[in-house]
Parts: sequence; structure tokens; C-alpha cells
Amino acid sequence: QKEVEQNSGPLSVPEGAIASLNCTYSDRVSQSFFWYRQYSGKSPELIMSIYSNGDKEDGRFTAQLNKASQYVSLLIRDSQPSDSATYLCAVIGAGGTSYGKLTFGQGTILTVHP
Amino acid sequence: EAGVVQSPRYKIIEKKQPVAFWCNPISGHNTLYWYRQNLGQGPELLIRYENEEAVDDSQLPKDRFSAERLKGVDSTLKIQPAELGDSAVYLCASSLDFAEAFFGQGTRLTVV
Repeated sequence: QKEVEQNSGPLSVPEGAIASLNCTYSDRVSQSFFWYRQYSGKSPELIMSIYSNGDKEDGRFTAQLNKASQYVSLLIRDSQPSDSATYLCAVIGAGGTSYGKLTFGQGTILTVHP
Repeated sequence: EAGVVQSPRYKIIEKKQPVAFWCNPISGHNTLYWYRQNLGQGPELLIRYENEEAVDDSQLPKDRFSAERLKGVDSTLKIQPAELGDSAVYLCASSLDFAEAFFGQGTRLTVV
């Protein structure tokens, strides 16, 4: 089992729709979770961090965390063409050999079409 | 506040040649990461430093890769000799303890 897995994508949504990106992780005791956005040819840019169960909202972005299910998601409301990018889920491990290690999923490519 | 600075941005070398990448993290950040990213994949951790100490280098190909972090600030990643399969983007990131990590612009390495 991969440490961090994301839905394979690519994901295509129309402008104005809600984009839903999902991620699962294997380290049951992880405490820190992040979403990064990466435009083609650029480096990853942090867009959300979440540490507690529940929802965290920042503008059009909402991160959701369910530690019992080892699941974290990112919702993008009112999607814009400028949101088209690869979205990376990242988790800091808290157990065993993963302690303190920031591990990324493989990324989900999102395309928002006009 | 300056972000993570990496150099060079691009490097083209012939196989079997050495290459080095440099990273200057955000001031005060004690954790420094080196990642390698291949096209279409997520970043893969090569090595993680806590201050001067390399605390996780399990994914670093030690036969050809080496890294150092002098005085717990700047870091250098070296490949010697480079192979065709080393072509990738090398990313440096820094953070304060287990908080958010911020990335530099990356170095795109092409081995020919």
C-alpha cells in the first residue's frame, strides 16, 4: 500500500462547478496534512493545511479531514480555468520510520474547461 | 521575506559527469528536504535534514548521490557520476518543524 494515494484522474470539470479531489494515507497516527497546487513547469505551491478532523475553508477552497477513515479531500468551489493544475496531497508521518517525513501522493491533474 | 532559493534553474550535462545543486532555505527553518520529481509523478523524498543532521536518507542512492547541510543552513546535493535516469526536477523545500513546507523553484536536470 502506498503511503499517500490520490484518485487517479485526470479530472475535468466545467467552469463554475465544484471540483473534488481525494486522498488516502496509510500512517494512522499522522497529524499534519497539506494540499499543494503545481502548475506545469513550476514547483509545488502550498494552498491548504489541515490538522484537525472536520472542514477548513479558505476562500473557494475547503479541505476536509477524517482521521478515522484516513481520508483527506479538497473541494474547489466555482472552479476557474486558472485552477487547472496538478494537485498534490501531502502527509507528515507520525509513526515508526515515517516520523516527520513529508510524503506526497502522485497528484491529480485538474482541468477546468470554459 | 525571501523564499527558498535554488540554483541553478536548469542544467544539461553528459552522462558520467558530476553535477551539484544548491539550496538556501527560508531563514529560521530547521527542516530541509530534497525531492526528485519525474514527469507526471509526485515529488519523491531523497533526504531530509533537521538542522545539520540527515534524519532520513533512506531513499538517497548513496552510490552516486551525496548531500550536505553546512551549519544547518544552506544545502548542496551532488550526483557523481550522473546517469541518464537521473534526468528530473530536483526540488528543495524547507519548514519549521512539522509545519508547512515551502518549495524553491527547482532545478531541471537533463542528462544526455
